[in-house]
Amino acid sequence: DTGVSQDPRHKITKRGQNVTFRCDPISEHNRLYWYRQTLGQGPEFLTYFQNEAQLEKSRLLSDRFSAERPKGSFSTLEIQRTEQGDSAMYLCASSLRPGGSNLDGYTFGSGTRLTVV
Amino acid sequence: AQTVTQSQPEMSVQEAETVTLSCTYDTSESDYYLFWYKQPPSRQMILVIRQEAYKQQNATENRFSVNFQKAAKSFSLKISDSQLGDAAMYFCASVYGGSQGNLIFGKGTKLSVKP
Repeated sequence: DTGVSQDPRHKITKRGQNVTFRCDPISEHNRLYWYRQTLGQGPEFLTYFQNEAQLEKSRLLSDRFSAERPKGSFSTLEIQRTEQGDSAMYLCASSLRPGGSNLDGYTFGSGTRLTVV
Repeated sequence: AQTVTQSQPEMSVQEAETVTLSCTYDTSESDYYLFWYKQPPSRQMILVIRQEAYKQQNATENRFSVNFQKAAKSFSLKISDSQLGDAAMYFCASVYGGSQGNLIFGKGTKLSVKP
């Protein structure tokens, strides 16, 4: 297992365009999280999946944002009608091997850097 | 709600010296875990060390150790024998034991290591 993979690493888009990011978690992990990180800040929680079910969404996740995790494997995060304020690093993390607990912590991907111009 | 506060935006240490990064948190829960994550310039977050709230003994991982003061809700990270590769952003984080596992992060401390 090569860890958590995110694609693309960088994305530059024009305001108003739609973008989609992909995350491939560690295969044995049940939980998948999306976080957003802006410059000089810590990661902020966006949404969480337990297998294929999206169980929690942050207030930060406006109706322009949608996330899926079909079949409980990879996940996608789509932003519609992008705005300049969406420029940030989008981090994916997975957690909870079978028999594990919250003490396991996260394994993070390298992130997708989004720039909206 | 849980909050995590890192009051030192930047810290600097001389190579081979020791540095301590501060973190305080606020929670009403009794079952929780605390973490320090490192984010090098390549941006992938790496788990440095973890602590269970019910354990009084401070966690240690090689050159990294914590000073966990539960009553004061303080969770500082000590890096001994600092190396150039320790230069990174360091984030303190917490999670409730019985929660869905959503980590709450502090704003981070940027650590510079001088040769």
